Formats: sequence, C-alpha cells, structure tokens
Amino acid sequence: GDSVTQMEGPVTLSEEAFLTINCTYTATGYPSLFWYVQYPGEGLQLLLKATKADDKGSNKGFEATYRKETTSFHLEKGSVQVSDSAVYFCALEDDYKLSFGAGTTVTVRA
Amino acid sequence: NAGVTQTPKFQVLKTGQSMTLQCAQDMNHNSMYWYRQDPGMGLRLIYYSASEGTTDKGEVPNGYNVSRLNKREFSLRLESAAPSQTSVYFCASSGGQGAYEKLFFGSGTQLSVL
Repeated sequence: GDSVTQMEGPVTLSEEAFLTINCTYTATGYPSLFWYVQYPGEGLQLLLKATKADDKGSNKGFEATYRKETTSFHLEKGSVQVSDSAVYFCALEDDYKLSFGAGTTVTVRA
Repeated sequence: NAGVTQTPKFQVLKTGQSMTLQCAQDMNHNSMYWYRQDPGMGLRLIYYSASEGTTDKGEVPNGYNVSRLNKREFSLRLESAAPSQTSVYFCASSGGQGAYEKLFFGSGTQLSVL
C-alpha cells in the first residue's frame, strides 16, 4: 500500500542554520504530497503541498519539490528560527486516503 | 473562530472503562476524521465520516465506535478501554473527502489507559 518514510529525529539546530527533512514515498498512483507541522500543544496544520511532479510548495520560508524520479518530497528552510521548533509530518494523498510519515521533531536553539 | 473543538484534553482510564471523545466543528465541513498519534508511527486513521449520516473504518478501527451526530459533531467511543489505546487522539474536518489541503485539526486528547 501507499506509505511515507521520513528521516528519524530528533533534529537539533542553531538559529539561522539550514534545515532539511527527508521524505520519500511509495504509491501506486499519482499522489498529492503534503507537509504538516505540529507546534507544541496544538493539532497539525498544513504547511505546504504539491499536487504533481516538479511542483514546488512553499510557505513561511519552507520549500519542498515533488520529485517523481526519486519519489521524494524533502522539506527545506534556509534559515531556521526558534519559532520553527515543532514536529513535521510528511503525508501523501492517493485515492482519497491520507497517509502520514512518523514525524520528525525539530528543535531550534537560540 | 473556534474551528475544531475536542473534549476532553486529558483523560486517564482504567482498563475496561468506557468513554466518549467529543468533537465539533463550526466550518460547515462535510467530512470529519478521527486519528490516533503514537510515537514513531505518525497519525493513523481510526474512522472517518465523508458526510453527515455516513461513517467508514480507517486503518485501525478495532476497539472503537463512532457516531456522526449531525453535520457539526463526530464522537469517538471506547467501549472497553485497553492499555494499547493509550495515545493522543485528534479529530479533524475538511470540506470534502480527499480535500486534505483544507484539513483542520483539533488540539488533541491525551488518553492514558492504566
């Protein structure tokens, strides 16, 4: 079945560092891909999405490009802030079903 | 703007007890979902309701029942709680089945079963 694999955390960074969280997927169809973020004590919220190959999703300085050839959707941010500390989830939607990765905890230190 | 409201936020149960988690949304969404979040496993879908009057099993439905009381409310019931049901539970809603770009989550219920 469809699945998402994320790099394991936790990830600890200093402010202004570059962040990459790897995400690869397995799907039989042509899924839409998402990154969700969960701040402490809150529910998940959509960070960005891409619906077809080569699409780039972006929001709040984060970017991810849908790479069909490598079945990947890696999340990147050039300069992180303390407020980016959260759990990040990669997800795919195929045939009306949403599958989540295990989540990556990111801590940014001042 | 309340969005998706879940109650309670925390709950401790003994094995065999029952309880109902409540969820309500004020966005006039058709679809509602219940997920559980476990360490290292991401979110897994328990049940969903594509529209008022319908419910369907998700990935991990065993030990749970749901009721779509009306368009606003979608409750999750544990009839006989087990330690394996210790988890964080999230309710979510969206404009329609598969409309995940407009998926809104509640703040979660942390449940411990002793």
